[in-house]
Amino acid sequence: EADIYQTPRYLVIGTGKKITLECSQTMGHDKMYWYQQDPGMELHLIHYSYGVNSTEKGDLSSESTVSRIRTEHFPLTLESARPSHTSQYLCASSRTQRNTEAFFGQGTRLTVV
Amino acid sequence: LAKTTQPISMDSYEGQEVNITCSHNNIATNDYITWYQQFPSQGPRFIIQGYKTKVTNEVASLFIPADRKSSTLSLPRVSLSDTAVYYCLVGDSRFSGGYNKLIFGAGTRLAVHP
Repeated sequence: EADIYQTPRYLVIGTGKKITLECSQTMGHDKMYWYQQDPGMELHLIHYSYGVNSTEKGDLSSESTVSRIRTEHFPLTLESARPSHTSQYLCASSRTQRNTEAFFGQGTRLTVV
Repeated sequence: LAKTTQPISMDSYEGQEVNITCSHNNIATNDYITWYQQFPSQGPRFIIQGYKTKVTNEVASLFIPADRKSSTLSLPRVSLSDTAVYYCLVGDSRFSGGYNKLIFGAGTRLAVHP
């Protein structure tokens, strides 16, 4: 079983609010990822990290930011939420030596009203 | 990062064997082939990975011909619960450049009917 957790599972928030989506894993994985996915649509990589103090932008431009201060923790922050940010956000992690086998969290479904 | 091509959608019936083929003509020597399954409102789940010939686990089989330019995910005797999107990814499983991004394509949407 994958030990990667995302909170909250669901979030409804007003426009202009600052939000942080939490992602934690207990597997000691170096690599972590954030994806954005609308219902029935493709997964888009928005951020990834090789390890502590490493963060990279993914293939889809995003107004969100991430940090990686601890191996197990990879939070995603939106400074000012907008309705266009409404989506599902999925966090994943993988080992460096086997980085094609990733484990995903349950996701956070964000609705900005 | 090798580009992959797979059918957008497939339909099947309960009890049938389903084969989903993925083309990856530009696969590199060190690349592995990995398949994921995603149910609605959930994150993808790793199913199987292989380098050449045949790999089998409790969920599926993966067939890779000698030239490795394609691969086939085989799901034996599908049930309604196998309805999902299946993604084929190709890249170096070791620590290397492009594949660190772990990019998913559109996948194949499999619908299993009663």
